[in-house]
Amino acid sequence: QKEVEQDPGPLSVPEGAIVSLNCTYSNSAFQYFMWYRQYSRKGPELLMYTYSSGNKEDGRFTAQVDKSSKYISLFIRDSQPSDSATYLCAMTRAGAGSYQLTFGKGTKLSVIP
Amino acid sequence: EAGVAQSPRYKIIEKRQSVAFWCNPISGHATLYWYQQILGQGPKLLIQFQNNGVVDDSQLPKDRFSAERLKGVDSTLKIQPAKLEDSAVYLCASSFGWRRGGGRGSYEQYFGPGTRLTVT
Repeated sequence: QKEVEQDPGPLSVPEGAIVSLNCTYSNSAFQYFMWYRQYSRKGPELLMYTYSSGNKEDGRFTAQVDKSSKYISLFIRDSQPSDSATYLCAMTRAGAGSYQLTFGKGTKLSVIP
Repeated sequence: EAGVAQSPRYKIIEKRQSVAFWCNPISGHATLYWYQQILGQGPKLLIQFQNNGVVDDSQLPKDRFSAERLKGVDSTLKIQPAKLEDSAVYLCASSFGWRRGGGRGSYEQYFGPGTRLTVT
C-alpha cells in the first residue's frame, strides 16, 4: 500500500460546478497536509495547507482533514476554466530539521466553459 | 521576489550519456530539494540539502545520480550514465527550512519550472 493514494482522474466538470478532490493516507505520523496546483509544464505551487484535523477556507477553496479516517479533501466552489490543472495532495510529519513532502499522484481537473 | 530558476528547461539525450541540471533557489532559502516527477506521478524526493549539507539522499540512486550544493546556494544534479527510466521532469524546490515554532514558512516549498528529460 502506497503511503498516499489519490485518484488520478481525469476529472471533467462544467464551469460553476463544485469540485471535490480527495486523498487517503496510511501514515498516522503525518500532521501537515497540503494541496498543490500544477499547471501544464509548470512546477507545483502551494494552494492550501492545514495542520492536523479540521477545515480551512480560502476564497473558493476549502481544505478538510479527517485524521481519524486518514482522509483529506479539497473542495473548489464555482469552478472556473482557470482552475484546470493537476491537483496534488502532499503531507509531511512534524519534526525538527526536515519537512519532507510525500505526494499523491495528482488528479487532473478540466473545467469546461 | 524572483522564483526558483532551473536550466535547461528541456533535454534529450541517448541512454548511457550523461546530463546535468542546474538550480538557483530563492534568495535566503536554506533548504533545497530535488524531485523526480515521472509522467502521471507525483514528485518523488531525490535529495534534500540544508545549506550545503545533505539532509537526506536515501532515495537518490547513487550509482548513477549525484548532486551538490556549493556555497549553500546553487545546486547541480547529474545523471551518469542515463537510463531510459530516467525520463522524467526534474524539479528543484527551496524553502526557508526548519525554524523553531514551525509554521508555513518552514515547510512551504517553492518549485521551479522543472527540466524535462527525455532519454532515448
